[in-house]
Amino acid sequence: QLQLQESGPGLVKPSETLALTCSVSGGSTSSSSYYWVWIRQSPGKGLEWIGSIDNSGSTYYNPSLKSRVTISVDTSKNHFSLRLSSVTAADTAVYYCARSYSGYVPNWFDPWGQGTLVTVSS
Amino acid sequence: EIVLTQSPATLSVSPGERATLSCRASQNIGSSLAWYQQKLGQAPRLLIYGASPRATGIPARFSGSGSGTEFTLTISSLQSEDFAVYYCQQYNNWPPTFGQGTKLEIK
Repeated sequence: QLQLQESGPGLVKPSETLALTCSVSGGSTSSSSYYWVWIRQSPGKGLEWIGSIDNSGSTYYNPSLKSRVTISVDTSKNHFSLRLSSVTAADTAVYYCARSYSGYVPNWFDPWGQGTLVTVSS
Repeated sequence: EIVLTQSPATLSVSPGERATLSCRASQNIGSSLAWYQQKLGQAPRLLIYGASPRATGIPARFSGSGSGTEFTLTISSLQSEDFAVYYCQQYNNWPPTFGQGTKLEIK
């Protein structure tokens, strides 16, 4: 059974870069059948898709975040990562990683990691 | 991007009764809609994809219907564990988007 686990700092200073990793077990990030996904949830904006990446490194980003987001995959370590630059308090949220089937559409997300709270504050 | 509007924001229902949750899309998304359940402190859990098929392990009391712009999640005979927040998500277009959620509370 596929399991996803987010890790990274829980506190980031304004203007700095948020960096998270999602470790995958019970499955492989080298599979061509899936997208590996980042989603966040904040009280103000609800659930927001951040971006998706496939095993070849092809990415799709939310236009609202595209200028600040980088998602990468390391198939040798079986994990994928999120970097969000120039963060502000508005980036405070619970960050989830998830998986979806790959294809011409984004598809649904299943399963999800447990989520990690990232607070942006000095 | 496609906007999903869920209604009502809060629904109060007694255990054993039926709950009907709605999700409206700002444009035609065919059957490209999923439903998730989220309990406090937990990640969302997939219930329904493709507007109606249930995800693995989801009880038969959960059913989804609709196509185009109007969708419904019905929970028949509510159990105590069903009281949670429910979200719809469209995946017909990039970017995928979520509704703002319906909180299902005990009456």
